[in-house]
Amino acid sequence: DQQVKQNSPSLSVQEGRISILNCDYTNSMFDYFLWYKKYPAEGPTFLISISSIKDKNEDGRFTVFLNKSAKHLSLHIVPSQPGDSAVYFCAASLMGSGGGADGLTFGKGTHLIIQP
Amino acid sequence: NAGVTQTPKFQVLKTGQSMTLQCAQDMNHEYMSWYRQDPGMGLRLIHYSVGAGITDQGEVPNGYNVSRSTTEDFPLRLLSAAPSQTSVYFCASKTTLSGNTIYFGEGSWLTVV
Repeated sequence: DQQVKQNSPSLSVQEGRISILNCDYTNSMFDYFLWYKKYPAEGPTFLISISSIKDKNEDGRFTVFLNKSAKHLSLHIVPSQPGDSAVYFCAASLMGSGGGADGLTFGKGTHLIIQP
Repeated sequence: NAGVTQTPKFQVLKTGQSMTLQCAQDMNHEYMSWYRQDPGMGLRLIHYSVGAGITDQGEVPNGYNVSRSTTEDFPLRLLSAAPSQTSVYFCASKTTLSGNTIYFGEGSWLTVV
């Protein structure tokens, strides 16, 4: 059973417009959420995160919104640039997992394509 | 900064062969892990280690062995390669100071024929 879902395998957005990537989760115990960006032939790189005690976190052009009641988070990129074309992975974790597994559960990713 | 370094980047194996994917980090991170990425499957945890001498299984451990003799190194061994192990492998590390933010290596592309 997939606990973290990214229902859009791909998304095409025009350069300069807003990109919105969505992620849903089923486990209400998740309390920390992350977005990773991945270019072809490279490892995923950390982009932005949010704790469950917040509903918004902003870093430059990137903003993550968390709606706990809907178990939904989204990543907004404004304005979208050609270099944003990549696969974006949503991940959820249990901060209280302590010394066990990192508790990170990844979605399957969304391929964002920025059109010139 | 070197960060997390994986070798080799590309490898082709024959079914039944064994090999080791190397991973090293220079950030003194206590936690290290191995993931595999397959098309349409996202990232799945194979094995992880919370410190030298301690390892444990993740979601998909079968066919893989790990050891953690030093803080810096966390090799992943394929004992008898199978075509189902054709994948991209990522090593990752973190420190408790970074919360649950893990940092990935650049990946190792493995093809088993």
